[in-house]
Amino acid sequence: DAGVTQSPTHLIKTRGQQVTLRCSPKSGHDTVSWYQQALGQGPQFIFQYYEEEERQRGNFPDRFSGHQFPNYSSELNVNALLLGDSALYLCASSWGQGRDTGELFFGEGSRLTVL
Amino acid sequence: GENVEQHPSTLSVQEGDSAVIKCTYSDSASNYFPWYKQELGKRPQLIIDIRSNVGEKKDQRIAVTLNKTAKHFSLHITETQPEDSAVYFCAARNNDMRFGAGTRLTVKP
Repeated sequence: DAGVTQSPTHLIKTRGQQVTLRCSPKSGHDTVSWYQQALGQGPQFIFQYYEEEERQRGNFPDRFSGHQFPNYSSELNVNALLLGDSALYLCASSWGQGRDTGELFFGEGSRLTVL
Repeated sequence: GENVEQHPSTLSVQEGDSAVIKCTYSDSASNYFPWYKQELGKRPQLIIDIRSNVGEKKDQRIAVTLNKTAKHFSLHITETQPEDSAVYFCAARNNDMRFGAGTRLTVKP
């Protein structure tokens, strides 16, 4: 079982650029959630995808968008990058939707540095 | 949305002592409360969880207690070991999972 895989592991961008991060969920999982983890902070919820639709969203601007594909993999897109977007972006997968979903499994993350 | 507060932010104990980390949540509809351990440069990993229909759960040296009335839950680690040193996060879930800010636990040999 490959678990949750994310790519790329590290990347450097400059302000104003756009970035796409990718995630493949754990086998058997159909729900993908994205989190932003700044240094020394807890994971902050960005949004959750299920059945190719955004189901829940945290307090993040529209510059953050996503997509889920029929094979349950997902992308996180961030436009007009700001210095403050520098963080570890974690993808987490689970099965089901709503209050009865299972355990959340995390990937190793994509570390984004914005210069 | 759900708001999770976690205390303390740092905790240092002597090997063999107990460690307690406390969290409060705001959404009374939350029904699942996991604890994650994150070692430096690694992914958060689930160490124990509890559902809202249970007051206490134990797994070897770790235990979690839940007080739904007070909207409060705690992680207890007994007989701490140096390898317990890490950052611990509590979380609460209604429709999505929200995390606390983390507790950096240091176990001194």
